[in-house]
Amino acid sequence: AQKVTQAQTEISVVEKEDVTLDCVYETRDTTYYLFWYKQPPSGELVFLIRRNSFDEQNEISGRYSWNFQKSTSSFNFTITASQVVDSAVYFCACNTDKLIFGTGTRLQVFP
Amino acid sequence: DAGVIQSPRHEVTEMGQEVTLRCKPISGHDYLFWYRQTMMRGLELLIYFNNNVPIDDSGMPEDRFSAKMPNASFSTLKIQPSEPRDSAVYFCASSLGRYIQYFGAGTRLSVL
Repeated sequence: AQKVTQAQTEISVVEKEDVTLDCVYETRDTTYYLFWYKQPPSGELVFLIRRNSFDEQNEISGRYSWNFQKSTSSFNFTITASQVVDSAVYFCACNTDKLIFGTGTRLQVFP
Repeated sequence: DAGVIQSPRHEVTEMGQEVTLRCKPISGHDYLFWYRQTMMRGLELLIYFNNNVPIDDSGMPEDRFSAKMPNASFSTLKIQPSEPRDSAVYFCASSLGRYIQYFGAGTRLSVL
């Protein structure tokens, strides 16, 4: 069975700080996909990134970067120079046959 | 392109009433998913369809819940009779293949 653990329930930072959101996953499958979604205060779920299990290259998109390490079953998400608009709940998820979500990390960025 | 469209955005009903949530997936997507989000259980998959056919309904909590997809552009999730513990945010998502799921804005259901 799949499991996704986001140990950080809530993180608070001041604007312009860097912040890393941790994600640890468990699956017995060799082929799987990992995702990050953002849920802003308005409530919708916004897709951020997908990685497949065969591609361990880290990815950067603007202020966002993702570090995928199969050896530690981790898929961490870093926001560089955080902004107030980054305040949201961030979900990590793993998909083999179903998309299983972690419990989310609430990020609050204060001005 | 329009995203996944859910209606209503908010629903308040009384215990025992029938509730119908609606979803229009992204045009061309062949998978449709219904999720429920609560504080206690987080985001959980209820049911999903492929080409309008229900594939896995193991997440449906009980017989009071039913879902249909009569065509490629419409799905409903029905709760009858509703109970206070059904209060949650219900999300619909669609995808092309089993890849990136795009979510609707959700329906916030309150059962009094």
